[in-house]
Amino acid sequence: QTVVTQEPSLTVSPGGTVTLTCASSTGAVTSGYYPNWFQQKPGQAPRALIYSTSNKHSWTPARFSGSLLGGKAALTLSGVQPEDEAEYYCLLYCGGAQLGVFGGGTKLTVL
Amino acid sequence: QVQLQESGPGLVKPSETLSLTCTVSGYSISGGFYWGWIRQPPGKGLEWIGSIFHSGTTYYNPSLKSRVTISVDTSKNQFSLNLSSVTAADTAVYYCARLQMATITLDYWGQGTLVIVSS
Repeated sequence: QTVVTQEPSLTVSPGGTVTLTCASSTGAVTSGYYPNWFQQKPGQAPRALIYSTSNKHSWTPARFSGSLLGGKAALTLSGVQPEDEAEYYCLLYCGGAQLGVFGGGTKLTVL
Repeated sequence: QVQLQESGPGLVKPSETLSLTCTVSGYSISGGFYWGWIRQPPGKGLEWIGSIFHSGTTYYNPSLKSRVTISVDTSKNQFSLNLSSVTAADTAVYYCARLQMATITLDYWGQGTLVIVSS
């Protein structure tokens, strides 16, 4: 079964830039994995941010962007705001009956 | 706008069946999207459970497939999750969500419901 790996935690200063990554145990992540990114704050449901590598939902702030970087999917936050402190999950399409596999999440601290 | 709401018992006994329903409003469940269930054990990450199309086509996580059944009721604009033979490991917040199959995009989510498995 595919394992999807994210950084457990990252810290960024307000106004700074940070990149979160998402790797697959099966090899390099490509656009065919349709990487999705979600933000989850304590006590809340996940909120979709990015789909198909780099596409934003209508509600996604402009400071969030998605890409492929060094064989991984990446989520970059530019001009980080205090309210961006949250857990971030990636989701990769893995085919077959499994469909999608979530990464373990990255806890982003804004400090 | 599209809204999803989970409902069902918050406490289930071990070895029994967990049953949840997701009611969709603002969008017809017979539209072009799939509908999915995702869970999150307390303090842990997200796990994909399975998904269904209004025609009844389903996809299940292989690790749960032997215990999971997802069904749809188009007349009520609802879909449901049954998870049999539950144990404490099935204690989690259960979310329902709308799924764009072509890109596995989970765009709209319910608020989630906590189900505790305990005697």
